[in-house]
Amino acid sequence: DTAVSQTPKYLVTQMGNDKSIKCEQNLGHDTMYWYKQDSKKFLKIMFSYNNKELIINETVPNRFSPKSPDKAHLNLHINSLELGDSAVYFCASSQGHSNTEAFFGQGTRLTVV
Amino acid sequence: AQTVTQSQPEMSVQEAETVTLSCTYDTSESNYYLFWYKQPPSRQMILVIRQEAYKQQNATENRFSVNFQKAAKSFSLKISDSQLGDTAMYFCAFMEENNDMRFGAGTRLTVKP
Repeated sequence: DTAVSQTPKYLVTQMGNDKSIKCEQNLGHDTMYWYKQDSKKFLKIMFSYNNKELIINETVPNRFSPKSPDKAHLNLHINSLELGDSAVYFCASSQGHSNTEAFFGQGTRLTVV
Repeated sequence: AQTVTQSQPEMSVQEAETVTLSCTYDTSESNYYLFWYKQPPSRQMILVIRQEAYKQQNATENRFSVNFQKAAKSFSLKISDSQLGDTAMYFCAFMEENNDMRFGAGTRLTVKP
C-alpha cells in the first residue's frame, strides 16, 4: 500500500481556474505538509497541519488554502491559478512536527497555461 | 517497494569529525538524478547537493560530497568538518527522466559539541 498518495499526478489547467490536489496518508501520522518544488528542484514548505491546526504558514499567496477534513487527509486548493503556480507539489507526512522521519507522496505536476 | 532506502534512521557525530550517510535506490533506467536535502526543524527542505547519473565524477559542495556508485546503486553523503548547524534530518531523493521524484524516509543527524 502506498503510504502517502497524491491525486492527480498531472494537472494541466488554464489561468484563472480553481483546482484542488488531494493527499492521503495511511501511516497514522499526525502531521502533514505541502511543499512546492521549483524548476531547480528546490523545495519550499507551504503548509503544515498538526491535528487539524495550521502550525506553519509560509508566505504563500492566499489563493492557496489547505483543507484537512481529517487527520489522514490534507488537500490543497488553489484559486485563480497563475502561470507562476506551475510547479511540482509534494505532500508529506510525519509523526510529530520536527526531526522525525517523513514520507513523501509522488508529487503532482501542475501546469498552468 | 521502497525506491529509495536510507538504512540509518539516526546518526551522530562529534563536531569537526566526518560522517557518511547512506542511500541506496532502485531503478532500471540508465540516466537519472540524485539529490540530498537537509531539513532543519523548520521543516524547510534545503538542497544540499545533486548528482547526474551520467557523470562519473562525484559531486562536491564545500564540506559536502557524495560517493556515487552507479553499479551498486548507492549514493552516500559525506559531511566533513561537521558543524553544529549540520544537525538536521537528511533526505536522499531520486528522480528519473520522467521527472518523478522519490524520497527516502530520512536520517536524523546530530552533531555533538
